[in-house]
Amino acid sequence: SAVISQKPSRDICQRGTSLTIQCQVDSQVTMMFWYRQQPGQSLTLIATANQGSEATYESGFVIDKFPISRPNLTFSTLTVSNMSPEDSSIYLCSYGDSNQPQHFGDGTRLSIL
Amino acid sequence: GDSVTQMEGPVTLSEEAFLTINCTYTATGYPSLFWYVQYPGEGLQLLLKATKADDKGSNKGFEATYRKETTSFHLEKGSVQVSDSAVYFCALWSASKIIFGSGTRLSIRP
Repeated sequence: SAVISQKPSRDICQRGTSLTIQCQVDSQVTMMFWYRQQPGQSLTLIATANQGSEATYESGFVIDKFPISRPNLTFSTLTVSNMSPEDSSIYLCSYGDSNQPQHFGDGTRLSIL
Repeated sequence: GDSVTQMEGPVTLSEEAFLTINCTYTATGYPSLFWYVQYPGEGLQLLLKATKADDKGSNKGFEATYRKETTSFHLEKGSVQVSDSAVYFCALWSASKIIFGSGTRLSIRP
């Protein structure tokens, strides 16, 4: 299976700022996803990152707050915009489809002051 | 819509005890089912999977059987170790995305 890496691994940010998280896979994959895991909670899907088109967002998540790019089949970014303390979470990217289980990056641990 | 319901935690056991973590699902059709594990401070790792009814997934001494009749995928291990302490997530693949249960925190006492 392809190796997936995320960066930064953690960050502490000021409220009102934005942070872009990068996700790199070492081979081409069809589907990439972004999740949020709030402290002590399960994973919530933010969006599916589509190569060459706009991401598909889940209910409760909007492009203005979480813009996503997917310029090719190995790379995606998630930006958390205009951050507030409620955005403090772990953000994870993954790849996979119905024939292959999801493989996750180690996550980005984000704290907002 | 499709969903996964998991046994509430935390679960605390002594080393070498038998483990069961219950998982039931609601879905149209026959989705692939998964168990993931998250060790402290780490991302999620696939523990095992089953893609059709009566399939048994197994890994590292853990097992789970895809039961269509009871729509269940319970995780079991015969003898747990301290190193099994982690959060366990049951999940299913549905409509081009994966749906997770709420997670069950497992703590093993030496």
